[in-house]
Amino acid sequence: DAGVTQSPTHLIKTRGQHVTLRCSPISGHKSVSWYQQVLGQGPQFIFQYYEKEERGRGNFPDRFSARQFPNYSSELNVNALLLGDSALYLCASSSAGTSGGAAQYFGPGTRLTVL
Amino acid sequence: GQQVMQIPQYQHVQEGEDFTTYCNSSTTLSNIQWYKQRPGGHPVFLIQLVKSGEVKKQKRLTFQFGEAKKNSSLHITATQTTDVGTYFCAGPTSGGSNYKLTFGKGTLLTVNP
Repeated sequence: DAGVTQSPTHLIKTRGQHVTLRCSPISGHKSVSWYQQVLGQGPQFIFQYYEKEERGRGNFPDRFSARQFPNYSSELNVNALLLGDSALYLCASSSAGTSGGAAQYFGPGTRLTVL
Repeated sequence: GQQVMQIPQYQHVQEGEDFTTYCNSSTTLSNIQWYKQRPGGHPVFLIQLVKSGEVKKQKRLTFQFGEAKKNSSLHITATQTTDVGTYFCAGPTSGGSNYKLTFGKGTLLTVNP
């Protein structure tokens, strides 16, 4: 079975632009979570969606938004990019309805660079 | 806010030596999870501990969950070069009905062959 897939792998944007990152969960998983990881730090929770509903939100500004589709895939959108948004964006799928309830299976990530 | 802290931040060992990383939470956790991230890779789930005082083993890796469910440890016996990577602990923390998985900053393990 395929694992979690993310696209694109790498992305370069300039300040003020908008970006959309995509994620497909493991087949059968209904929960998708998004994390931001900067170098030398652990993943930081952004959002969790379960059955298309937002179940959790981390301490990120309103420039960050996400949604989940009927097939359980998900998009993360970031508006008005700042230099500090440069990071590895990780998507994780899980069988649990709440973040942290069960193992998170991470995708390879999208490396976003903001110039 | 609720925090999950790990020590040490870095650990360099000779191949064959043991390694331990410690994780502490400011609040009681319903469970603790451990992940490994190889350089340039993504976090990979290792294990989840749920019960107070629980000990689980995976080959050379031993995981413990404290009696108060606020601390945990990962011990690797006789490290190998394949153990290189960053080890993260993570626990669910909450604010009202909003749950999130909070990761520690990780312990970077390097192994000298």
